[in-house]
Amino acid sequence: GAVVSQHPSRVICKSGTSVKIECRSLDFQATTMFWYRQFPKKSLMLMATSNEGSKATYEQGVEKDKFLINHASLTLSTLTVTSAHPEDSSFYICSAKASSYNEQFFGPGTRLTVL
Amino acid sequence: AQTVTQSQPEMSVQEAETVTLSCTYDTSESDYYLFWYKQPPSRQMILVIRQEAYKQQNATENRFSVNFQKAAKSFSLKISDSQLGDAAMYFCAYRSLSPIQGAQKLVFGQGTRLTINP
Repeated sequence: GAVVSQHPSRVICKSGTSVKIECRSLDFQATTMFWYRQFPKKSLMLMATSNEGSKATYEQGVEKDKFLINHASLTLSTLTVTSAHPEDSSFYICSAKASSYNEQFFGPGTRLTVL
Repeated sequence: AQTVTQSQPEMSVQEAETVTLSCTYDTSESDYYLFWYKQPPSRQMILVIRQEAYKQQNATENRFSVNFQKAAKSFSLKISDSQLGDAAMYFCAYRSLSPIQGAQKLVFGQGTRLTINP
């Protein structure tokens, strides 16, 4: 099956710093990638959808200047949390989809802790 | 906008027994996909089963099967012969078939935490 990786799996940073999370499709070309945020014991909340080579589409209420998404290639998307604050602490999950696939494939997630 | 509702926050079942998780959704579209995902303690999302709305036959994957009632907008998951490894959070999800950018996203339900009692 298709494999999606995320790096890092865990990150701890100080308040005010920026953190970059990478999402890679390892064995297929991902025309679309999705970024989700998940709070403890809650469902996944879609933050944004990105298509390779174009600007991401953010969901209502998600600050695009806070959560920068870049999808520069068919195998890599990055989420940068800028000027992170403790309330940004969460579990971030990416998923990737090829144009010919009917389903998304999920990465293992990244746990972000902002001190 | 489409919505997905899982009305059972928690369910439990004895090992080897059968359990059914409920899911209802709301949409004005006629063609779409429905999914059940499993999220174990590792938090890796795993696809359990997929149903295309245009197919009348209920999808089946080994011990997992669905009861898809399109008119009622219901999509329940039945797990037969429950195993300890089935313990996880289960999410029902909807995806549009619309080619409009942004429509390909998954809409998730709130999730049901399934506990397997040995």
